[in-house]
Amino acid sequence: ETGVTQTPRHLVMGMTNKKSLKCEQHLGHNAMYWYKQSAKKPLELMFVYNFKEQTENNSVPSRFSPECPNSSHLFLHLHTLQPEDSALYLCASSLRGVRESHNEQFFGPGTRLTVL
Amino acid sequence: AQKITQTQPGMFVQEKEAVTLDCTYDTSDQSYGLFWYKQPSSGEMIFLIYQGSYDEQNATEGRYSLNFQKARKSANLVISASQLGDSAMYFCAMRDLFSGGYNKLIFGAGTRLAVHP
Repeated sequence: ETGVTQTPRHLVMGMTNKKSLKCEQHLGHNAMYWYKQSAKKPLELMFVYNFKEQTENNSVPSRFSPECPNSSHLFLHLHTLQPEDSALYLCASSLRGVRESHNEQFFGPGTRLTVL
Repeated sequence: AQKITQTQPGMFVQEKEAVTLDCTYDTSDQSYGLFWYKQPSSGEMIFLIYQGSYDEQNATEGRYSLNFQKARKSANLVISASQLGDSAMYFCAMRDLFSGGYNKLIFGAGTRLAVHP
């Protein structure tokens, strides 16, 4: 148990649905991240929030919309997804902000998303 | 551009033996950090060990040690006395700077380790 929780753990949705992924960290960390892990591809960073401010949008399509209402919660809103968006979506947090060099990230268990 | 290479897609090891997972990196920075993560079948990424580029000693954490060879740009993970619970995917990662002076991690493709009884 790393102190980072994600819900739901599994999600199946159609291409016209709207859903949200939730991440919560109980560690008092200052930075939060969304990653996408597709089969046979390295982890891809999607979004970074540093002290609740978004600092990175790694060329992610607009059908993914992040929200960080406070330093403990991070959401990923999904709408009109494509089958190729099926993947494991991992949330992470780090104690130090993203300007710090030694900021190991602690990951949640992920949400396994399937888009039909 | 920064790059992490893990050349072993899969490795097998007998229980209680040691195993080395390879990682090479490419960077032009003088200051950088290297990380290893473990991902069991449950999906969660578990932080194992960190090595800073200026650290003179190889990092160790329990049964994990990092064989850091700076001149060769390699940061291999050594797991001593393998256990069945060590079966998982292992990812090497490196700190990378992006715009605004912020840090992010870039990951290698991973190595799947299977520990046999």
